[in-house]
Amino acid sequence: GNSVTQMEGPVTLSEEAFLTINCTYTATGYPSLFWYVQYPGEGLQLLLKATKADDKGSNKGFEATYRKETTSFHLEKGSVQVSDSAVYFCALIPLSNFGNEKLTFGTGTRLTIIP
Amino acid sequence: DTEVTQTPKHLVMGMTNKKSLKCEQHMGHRAMYWYKQKAKKPPELMFVYSYEKLSINESVPSRFSPECPNSSLLNLHLHALQPEDSALYLCASSQVSLGTEYYEQYFGPGTRLTVT
Repeated sequence: GNSVTQMEGPVTLSEEAFLTINCTYTATGYPSLFWYVQYPGEGLQLLLKATKADDKGSNKGFEATYRKETTSFHLEKGSVQVSDSAVYFCALIPLSNFGNEKLTFGTGTRLTIIP
Repeated sequence: DTEVTQTPKHLVMGMTNKKSLKCEQHMGHRAMYWYKQKAKKPPELMFVYSYEKLSINESVPSRFSPECPNSSLLNLHLHALQPEDSALYLCASSQVSLGTEYYEQYFGPGTRLTVT
């Protein structure tokens, strides 16, 4: 079956630190990969996505590269801000599921940035 | 307009009550979703509507009854809930994917439901 494993949180960093949140996946075929972010008291927002191997998704200073050889999609940011404090979910959808949009989510990683 | 709205924001109900959650979008999306999210957990898919027809029911108990009266509205009718149904209920919408392109799901802010 399909699954996503992401690093356990919580993660606490100081402002301007470098961020990495690890995500690995198991899926049949070639899934599309996503990072969603959930700010306190809000729904989920798509942060970035990649749909094929070696694609790099980027948004708001965050980046993630689709690595087929290591089945990974790690999230990185060079200099985090207090406003980045949120829960981050890695997710996938297999190509074969298009038309039935069932996202498979990781467990989420809570990130707290301290000034 | 890329907004999905949900009402109410908070709801407290007893186990014998009947209530409804409402979701609305005006992005022309023809796929709409209900998710349930418990604290510190990822969202769990409950239902998917595609072109106003129920296409996925993830074995959700019958005390949850979805309805899609038109392409902009999605309701979730609640009856005889249990305390363990207390959670954040999220609505989302997207274009219907055809072929090989995935269309982003836009999420609403959710309804925080407490069952007493």
